[in-house]
Amino acid sequence: GENVEQHPSTLSVQEGDSAVIKCTYSDSASNYFPWYKQELGKGPQLIIDIRSNVGEKKDQRIAVTLNKTAKHFSLHITETQPEDSAVYFCAATGYSTLTFGKGTMLLVSP
Amino acid sequence: SQTIHQWPATLVQPVGSPLSLECTVEGTSNPNLYWYRQAAGRGLQLLFYSVGIGQISSEVPQNLSASRPQDRQFILSSKKLLLSDSGFYLCAWSVGGRGTEAFFGQGTRLTVV
Repeated sequence: GENVEQHPSTLSVQEGDSAVIKCTYSDSASNYFPWYKQELGKGPQLIIDIRSNVGEKKDQRIAVTLNKTAKHFSLHITETQPEDSAVYFCAATGYSTLTFGKGTMLLVSP
Repeated sequence: SQTIHQWPATLVQPVGSPLSLECTVEGTSNPNLYWYRQAAGRGLQLLFYSVGIGQISSEVPQNLSASRPQDRQFILSSKKLLLSDSGFYLCAWSVGGRGTEAFFGQGTRLTVV
């Protein structure tokens, strides 16, 4: 089955800096890669996704890149703000279920 | 629009007691439904998923079971809770087929004492 590795497990940045979270996957047949943000005590919320026919996607301060050859994809957050502090999960599809990475705790200091 | 309801939000149960967590989805038909558990670490562990009424797939053998009595209702149960069942339980849904996003409920914080 699919295996998703996510790094780093914790990331601390100063407000205004950029943050990058990286994931690799194992199943070359996977074609959908969402990113979720989970705030404390809440369920994960989809923030951006990318499909395998696209190399990059951007939504305001958030961007995701995908390298299908290398089987890795990354989340980029620019001009970070304290409200970006949360746990971020990457995921990749299997045939019926999403496989998630173990999460990255992002801490943005004012 | 689609919404997902999960309850209760928090639950404290003694060891050996039964458990029933309920999840319902509105605004869509024949969704895929999922139960995840998030323990003290941050990872999301898939427990069960269902592609239709009465169709349940178990990812991890354990003290829990799931049922789908109606198209948009998914129930997580246990006959006798263990301390190790404590955690944050999340229900999620997606449309059928490959390559679609999952939408999560707000979760249930279960503490077994």
